[in-house]
Amino acid sequence: NAGVTQTPKFRVLKTGQSMTLLCAQDMNHEYMYWYRQDPGMGLRLIHYSVGEGTTAKGEVPDGYNVSRLKKQNFLLGLESAAPSQTSVYFCASSTGNEKLFFGSGTQLSVL
Amino acid sequence: GESVGLHLPTLSVQEGDNSIINCAYSNSASDYFIWYKQESGKGPQFIIDIRSNMDKRQGQRVTVLLNKTVKHLSLQIAATQPGDSAVYFCAEKPGGSARQLTFGSGTQLTVLP
Repeated sequence: NAGVTQTPKFRVLKTGQSMTLLCAQDMNHEYMYWYRQDPGMGLRLIHYSVGEGTTAKGEVPDGYNVSRLKKQNFLLGLESAAPSQTSVYFCASSTGNEKLFFGSGTQLSVL
Repeated sequence: GESVGLHLPTLSVQEGDNSIINCAYSNSASDYFIWYKQESGKGPQFIIDIRSNMDKRQGQRVTVLLNKTVKHLSLQIAATQPGDSAVYFCAEKPGGSARQLTFGSGTQLTVLP
């Protein structure tokens, strides 16, 4: 029972570098989400997808891009990392827009 | 208790006591509410949810109460155990398939021996 798997678990970037976070789910869920979690601010929605080939902006989309080429995968890209993007990133999936299942997170530091 | 946008409050309880974690929500159009537990270094884990047509829902050792009049949600944990120590988040969702969950900032629960 893998559920939602995120890779990598930790990453350190220099300002201006790019990277992609991978999220994979094996529950055949239609909806997938990317959140960031900062101290004292809870979870904030970056982008989400309601199905293969679709994406939509969340609350804090600037500086990020996403792709959902396959139903089971949702990629989060940072084209030019900034220190303000230092955060813990969580992927989630669900059958709809209610009960979400989360991955274990990716700790990203941008120096 | 927590509210969307406020800093992380804390709650300490003795092992075996009951815990009550509070959450104020702001959107009167919200029709779905959910509680998550997040242990250190892990992702949020579903605890219990409730729809706005209900006032109370019970799970295993947990109860969620919804007061729509004052826009207040609470999570009650019976006989709190050391393994209950974690950050607890509430989230709300307005009605409609296009709307998404909005999470509160969380409450840190510490269980004292």
